[in-house]
Amino acid sequence: GAVVSQHPSRVICKSGTSVKIECRSLDFQATTMFWYRQFPKQSLMLMATSNEGSKATYEQGVEKDKFLINHASLTLSTLTVTSAHPEDSSFYICSAQTGTSGDTQYFGPGTRLTVL
Amino acid sequence: GDSVTQMEGPVTLSEEAFLTINCTYTATGYPSLFWYVQYPGEGLQLLLKATKADDKGSNKGFEATYRKETTSFHLEKGSVQVSDSAVYFCAGGVTGGGNKLTFGTGTQLKVEL
Repeated sequence: GAVVSQHPSRVICKSGTSVKIECRSLDFQATTMFWYRQFPKQSLMLMATSNEGSKATYEQGVEKDKFLINHASLTLSTLTVTSAHPEDSSFYICSAQTGTSGDTQYFGPGTRLTVL
Repeated sequence: GDSVTQMEGPVTLSEEAFLTINCTYTATGYPSLFWYVQYPGEGLQLLLKATKADDKGSNKGFEATYRKETTSFHLEKGSVQVSDSAVYFCAGGVTGGGNKLTFGTGTQLKVEL
């Protein structure tokens, strides 16, 4: 139980284009989803927290107009990297919480974004 | 604010050796504590957790005890295997932070034959 998927697992795009990453909770309803960014050999940096049906809350220093987050249903959240640049290349990981999991987060497998 | 500190890696051990990865936390309250494991190229998997003082989390031979007096949550395993090679992250629930987690920097473990 508590499986989270991400799609795509890897994406390569040209500079200036937009990329959408999907995060799905497969066997539970996710009241809250989180988006993280991970740089090589470093820890996870929380980008934003999203609750179904409401606007995402972004962490300080994260551009909300560049990293668009939509949490349209209890099983799906999307992160769109707009006008991507090479410095946006990173490993993006989502996680989800159920209404009864307390502060336990269940993580997706991650998406490797490479911007050329 | 809340913070989690864990020992720097990489840690290299021989198979069947004893493992300890230290983790300490700083928080205004008593956060839930977690160990997550990340295998190469994958996302994080919850390894174990403890929600209050003196709780012991355990899974797959790994253990960690929530020590309020030393604000620690050290990860231990009596006999590691090559398949345990991964990066291990300690994390704490942020006090009053809306269920957000604060992560340590991760410790890479490499187990050799």
